[in-house]
Amino acid sequence: KAGVTQTPRYLIKTRGQQVTLSCSPISGHRSVSWYQQTPGQGLQFLFEYFSETQRNKGNFPGRFSGRQFSNSRSEMNVSTLELGDSALYLCASSLRVDAGRANYGYTFGSGTRLTVV
Amino acid sequence: KNQVEQSPQSLIILEGKNCTLQCNYTVSPFSNLRWYKQDTGRGPVSLTIMTFSENTKSNGRYTATLDADTKQSSLHITASQLSDSASYICVVGSVGGTYKYIFGTGTRLKVLA
Repeated sequence: KAGVTQTPRYLIKTRGQQVTLSCSPISGHRSVSWYQQTPGQGLQFLFEYFSETQRNKGNFPGRFSGRQFSNSRSEMNVSTLELGDSALYLCASSLRVDAGRANYGYTFGSGTRLTVV
Repeated sequence: KNQVEQSPQSLIILEGKNCTLQCNYTVSPFSNLRWYKQDTGRGPVSLTIMTFSENTKSNGRYTATLDADTKQSSLHITASQLSDSASYICVVGSVGGTYKYIFGTGTRLKVLA
């Protein structure tokens, strides 16, 4: 069965622009979460969506937003891009919302590498 | 402050040798601990998940241990292979607070022939 698909794989944007990243979860998975990965900070949780509703949110500014569609596909938007937004953005899908309680496995996509110049 | 610290930052070993990666955490309340393997340019892949009551879990040549009293975990890799070259990330889950998962910055392992 197909894995988690993220598009595009690579993206170059200039400061001040906005960007939209897409994530298609594994068929049947209804939870999609987003992460930012940078060499200095490692992986950081952005937000999680389940049934088109944001269920959990990390500590990122309001420039970072997301949404989920009825088919569970999710998009993440970053507005007014800054140089520091350059990172690998990963999305992961799961059957259900995992409130930190363990037993639901997350499957990650290969990520979108965003470079802001 | 909830934190997950991993050591060493990077490690180079010869093929066939064993190695152990460390993860210390200060996350509270603790729910679970996961180890992920991330190949360059790919997303992380789950190796093991352990809850409070589990102190060891294996996945092939990978064995994770957890000491909830000292808040330490280790990932032991036996008979390393070139394909083990990757970053290994420790993640601690918490049922309280704003952030459900706290990630370590990873250990970058390089296995040489």
